[in-house]
Amino acid sequence: AQKVTQAQTEISVVEKEDVTLDCVYETRDTTYYLFWYKQPPSGELVFLIRRNSFDEQNEISGRYSWNFQKSTSSFNFTITASQVVDSAVYFCALSEARASTASKLTFGTGTRLQVTL
Amino acid sequence: KAGVTQTPRYLIKTRGQQVTLSCSPISGHRSVSWYQQTPGQGLQFLFEYFSETQRNKGNFPGRFSGRQFSNSRSEMNVSTLELGDSALYLCASSLRGQGSGQQYFGPGTRLTVT
Repeated sequence: AQKVTQAQTEISVVEKEDVTLDCVYETRDTTYYLFWYKQPPSGELVFLIRRNSFDEQNEISGRYSWNFQKSTSSFNFTITASQVVDSAVYFCALSEARASTASKLTFGTGTRLQVTL
Repeated sequence: KAGVTQTPRYLIKTRGQQVTLSCSPISGHRSVSWYQQTPGQGLQFLFEYFSETQRNKGNFPGRFSGRQFSNSRSEMNVSTLELGDSALYLCASSLRGQGSGQQYFGPGTRLTVT
């Protein structure tokens, strides 16, 4: 069975601070996908990134960066120089790569990030 | 290109009633998945439809059902509503639903059961 753990329930930072959101996953599959989604107060889940299990290269997109470490089953997300607009709930998710089940996302419980001035 | 749309956005129903929620995927997307989000259980997968066929199902009772039409629009139905069915129901669409698993979510329908 797949499982995603986001141990940090809530994080509060002051604007311009860096913050890292942790994600640890469990799966028996050798091929899988990992995701991060952002959920602002409006409720819609906004896609941030997808990683294939074979690609452990870290990725940077503007102020966002992701660190994928297969050895520790972690896929952490760092926001550099946080801004108030980053305030949201962030979800890490996992899906199998099999064609019949690839659309089934297993989500973590989410981390609420509060960025204040 | 228009995003995923869900109707209605808000709904209040009484225990024992049934409800139908609608989801229109992004144009060209053939896969539609449904998720339930509650404070207690978080985000849980309900089912996925691809080319009018249910391809995958989560661990929900038979009161939860869905269907997909030839234009890829999808509906989900919940019969005999219970208080615990109060949740945000999110729909997501993807191009093929295979391999990538990359999905685009709609704004959700917030269902309140009283």
